Amino acid sequence: GQQVMQIPQYQHVQEGEDFTTYCNSSTTLSNIQWYKQRPGGHPVFLIQLVKSGEVKKQKRLTFQFGEAKKNSSLHITATQTTDVGTYFCAGRGGSNYKLTFGKGTLLTVNP
Amino acid sequence: EAEVAQSPRYKITEKSQAVAFWCDPISGHATLYWYRQILGQGPELLVQFQDESVVDDSQLPKDRFSAERLKGVDSTLKIQPAELGDSAMYLCASSGRTGPEQFFGPGTRLTVL
Repeated sequence: GQQVMQIPQYQHVQEGEDFTTYCNSSTTLSNIQWYKQRPGGHPVFLIQLVKSGEVKKQKRLTFQFGEAKKNSSLHITATQTTDVGTYFCAGRGGSNYKLTFGKGTLLTVNP
Repeated sequence: EAEVAQSPRYKITEKSQAVAFWCDPISGHATLYWYRQILGQGPELLVQFQDESVVDDSQLPKDRFSAERLKGVDSTLKIQPAELGDSAMYLCASSGRTGPEQFFGPGTRLTVL
């Protein structure tokens, strides 16, 4: 079945440093979503990418979808303590409407 | 702002007992999902409903788990009998026709002793 892998598993940064998490799928995706889960909270939708090579920005967050639609990344510029949490990518296969979540990247930020 | 409601928030049970979780999706959302999230992992889809019909339950352990959404609104997930390995967060989510995002509820944390 479809597998979605995320790296790194953990990332600790100093406030103000940049952060990137990477997501790779074993199969070509029709789209990919990103979610953030704060400690003790539930996943909250951030964005969906659909087109090959797509890049979307939300303030300090930049999301990319690879040309082959098998990988994606989330980059945070100048991290803040409010960015703390686990970031999940979730891919949807071409003929499968089901979202498959990666294991997530836990980001901690030292003030 | 509309939210997905779940109850109970916490459940402690002994193995071999039966447990049930309830979810009320955002009003008007036709699609409802039950996920299981083990600590340190991403959510894993157990069952997906479109209105009252099951669309995907391929990862639902059907020998012990059951889910229903009788009137296409709220939903119940049941485990009988519970096993130690069922300890996890059970998340309910819903989505509507206006956007791709899934809206998650606060979850039910199950501990099986």
